[in-house]
Amino acid sequence: DAGITQSPRHKVTETGTPVTLRCHQTENHRYMYWYRQDPGHGLRLIHYSYGVKDTDKGEVSDGYSVSRSKTEDFLLTLESATSSQTSVYFCAINTKQGGANTGELFFGEGSRLTVL
Amino acid sequence: DQQVKQNSPSLSVQEGRISILNCDYTNSMFDYFLWYKKYPAEGPTFLISISSIKDKNEDGRFTVFLNKSAKHLSLHIVPSQPGDSAVYFCAARVYGGSQGNLIFGKGTKLSVKP
Repeated sequence: DAGITQSPRHKVTETGTPVTLRCHQTENHRYMYWYRQDPGHGLRLIHYSYGVKDTDKGEVSDGYSVSRSKTEDFLLTLESATSSQTSVYFCAINTKQGGANTGELFFGEGSRLTVL
Repeated sequence: DQQVKQNSPSLSVQEGRISILNCDYTNSMFDYFLWYKKYPAEGPTFLISISSIKDKNEDGRFTVFLNKSAKHLSLHIVPSQPGDSAVYFCAARVYGGSQGNLIFGKGTKLSVKP
């Protein structure tokens, strides 16, 4: 079973402060993703990575940046948090490659962020 | 513009009966469709998927049907159990897109009553 650890699991911060969420995986999978979940919106892709230092934007990337300096870690940064970024953030990995890849993602347990 | 739509925010079913969750999509380039289940305070977990070249896939109590001409898929749970109570997300992947980029619907909250 793929192992994903998200940290912190809960965070309360103030508007304008920077915040970094960390996603750590234990199995060196190439593809990693950050999604946010909000009531009435389902899950929306923020950014994804297809390798070390290789990242790209998703549907709702404004206000977010990411970095991947090691295969196992994918960081999501809010440079200046706003109340609209209050959400639950999920990291995900794709554990299958090539022909076995059917789109299935394995999700972490989530990081709940509240911006006051 | 929503490419994956789940028009029913909630569904209530009696234990032992069938649960049918529906999903509509607009993009003909989707090559895989997936269903995820999510319990409160947990991450979504994969349930079942179907390729766009198939019309049915079955796994135990769960069956997904795909109607490409109607751009519609449905998840059937038979028989429904109280432990199935969760939010169910329909998701789709664009053919040729980044490996595993999924577009999700807004979810349907299923309540199975004993």
